[in-house]
Amino acid sequence: KNEVEQSPQNLTAQEGEFITINCSYSVGISALHWLQQHPGGGIVSLFMLSSGKKKHGRLIATINIQEKHSSLHITASHPRDSAVYICAVRSYNTDKLIFGTGTRLQVFP
Amino acid sequence: EADIYQTPRYLVIGTGKKITLECSQTMGHDKMYWYQQDPGMELHLIHYSYGVNSTEKGDLSSESTVSRIRTEHFPLTLESARPSHTSQYLCASSTFSGNTIYFGEGSWLTVV
Repeated sequence: KNEVEQSPQNLTAQEGEFITINCSYSVGISALHWLQQHPGGGIVSLFMLSSGKKKHGRLIATINIQEKHSSLHITASHPRDSAVYICAVRSYNTDKLIFGTGTRLQVFP
Repeated sequence: EADIYQTPRYLVIGTGKKITLECSQTMGHDKMYWYQQDPGMELHLIHYSYGVNSTEKGDLSSESTVSRIRTEHFPLTLESARPSHTSQYLCASSTFSGNTIYFGEGSWLTVV
């Protein structure tokens, strides 16, 4: 079992829909990152969370430390949101990032 | 906008050739990383550095080597490329706390 699990693996949505991507982890962490990877490979950091909730534009990220779970929400989705969204946790013990396999999102007009 | 750059972006080379993938950042970050990612798979750490003259192997065994002679520069070298080295290689740097991490655009390597 992977230490970081994401669901769903693939997600298709119509423009305007509300989207939720989930991340569960099994190790002690000091922080959790949500990353966005576009075709061609470049990765952009969206959020770093250690507790609570953060919002940036149409993106909202939440984390529940006790339940070892985080969610990434996209409101009013748009085709330009199409990308792979990756959850990564920083291990408290090793200080290294452990990555999920990503959620591939496609938003159609 | 992240100031971390990788070259080349795409490279096709023959088996047995020596290749160096370049990574530079202008943010003054002490921590730098190399990750390997196969299509559709998660990233795996192959090398990291916490400062000049400091390099460590990551969790995924790799035949590549790295050096860190200057803070801003963290090149990765394959002495003798093989088809099994075909993959995407991503360089990253972070603040010392690790709370903010920046990735390069990636280098796609194909060994034929």
